[in-house]
Amino acid sequence: EVQLVQSGAEVKKPGESLKISCKGSGYSFTNYWIGWVRQMPGKGLEWMGIIYPGDSDTRYSPSFQGQVTISADKSISTAYLQWSSLKASDTAMYYCARSRAAAGNWFDPWGQGTLVTVSS
Amino acid sequence: DIQMTQSPSSLSASVGDRVTITCRASHSISTYLNWYQQKPGKAPKLLIYAASSLQSGVPSRFSGSGSGTDFTLTISSLQPEDFATYYCQQSYGNTLTFGGGTKVEIK
Repeated sequence: EVQLVQSGAEVKKPGESLKISCKGSGYSFTNYWIGWVRQMPGKGLEWMGIIYPGDSDTRYSPSFQGQVTISADKSISTAYLQWSSLKASDTAMYYCARSRAAAGNWFDPWGQGTLVTVSS
Repeated sequence: DIQMTQSPSSLSASVGDRVTITCRASHSISTYLNWYQQKPGKAPKLLIYAASSLQSGVPSRFSGSGSGTDFTLTISSLQPEDFATYYCQQSYGNTLTFGGGTKVEIK
């Protein structure tokens, strides 16, 4: 079974750093892209960026460029989303999802989501 | 960026109703349009890809159509488990974008 399993919920203070993870299983991790999607409380879905673990080719949404870093460690089939200095406005649910291509394709399956709460 | 506009933002319907949700792109996106269903507290689930292809395991009461800038998701006979929020997503450009969502509620 193809599965993406994300790391657990996090509670952080403004200014702190954070790295959340998404581990793929049941397929060849290096042959698919992994995208990240933000969902703020009560709001819709926003595409943040996408990475190809095979060669770490990474694309960012202009809205998130410079705000987060997407990376991957293909040796352990895991993709990451990280912040160097969190803000209260980063409070959201974050999903990872698999795609066959950076564009022209679709996301399936999705991870279960990681809730990030940033509060002083 | 390509903007995606869904309508309506919410609707109330009864079990057995035919429901249609529309999604309009700000530029032509051919058939690079996908539909997802999200239930409260759950991750989105792919329903339709490439505008009209039904994802494996998705009931046949769901269908998609359209090309260019105008797309529709149709539920032919609404079932209790279909009450959820539905999102369209374009994958044409280098920046992927989602529509704002349509919440389908029980009348």
